[in-house]
Amino acid sequence: EIVLTQSPGTLSLSPGDRATLSCRASQSVSSNYLAWYQQKPGQAPRLLIYDASSRATGIPDRFSGSGSGTDFTLTISRLEPEDFAVYYCQQSGGSPPGFSFGPGTRVDI
Amino acid sequence: QVQLQESGPGLVKPSETLSLTCTVSGGSIDSDYWSWIRQPPGKELEWIGYTYFSGSTNYNPSLKSQVTISIDTSRTQFSLRLSSVTAADTAVYFCATDRRPYNWKIWGQGILVTVSS
Repeated sequence: EIVLTQSPGTLSLSPGDRATLSCRASQSVSSNYLAWYQQKPGQAPRLLIYDASSRATGIPDRFSGSGSGTDFTLTISRLEPEDFAVYYCQQSGGSPPGFSFGPGTRVDI
Repeated sequence: QVQLQESGPGLVKPSETLSLTCTVSGGSIDSDYWSWIRQPPGKELEWIGYTYFSGSTNYNPSLKSQVTISIDTSRTQFSLRLSSVTAADTAVYFCATDRRPYNWKIWGQGILVTVSS
């Protein structure tokens, strides 16, 4: 099973700042099937990025994903007030695929 | 746009079976991958399993002995059964779907299930 580690645990920033979130896998993520989600309190997760760098439908271009193998990054270029939330990375691997999530990074004002 | 809605009891007794249904509206259930994911209060997300529209399934190995996921295309619903539950199974349960089995674009709002006597 691939274990995902996210850092930092909490990121304290201000609107307009740039946010850089890291996700590291215990082994290489096959075909870069790495996704990022945003979750706000009391809500379901929202898919932001899939396949490491592809933006999901309707996601603003201030969100971008990069990386490959075991190291992945989610960047929010300029934080908007609605971006303060918890962000999870998630990988899919194997055949049939198994899935795991990271512990999350909280982006706080 | 496909929408998902979870339903079922919010309270289950220890050792009993948790049963939830996800109703699909606004689209067809005759394609795509239909999943269950849970999140214990204040904790991270955990994938439970998925069913393909054909009825084939794939479960989290850590839960495989407890889990059954089934699909009813005639009723545009898919279901989760989790047997022999304990307090550790207390969580918000989400149903979710996508065209590919690698991530989930569409989610239900989630339903809190508490395991307690």
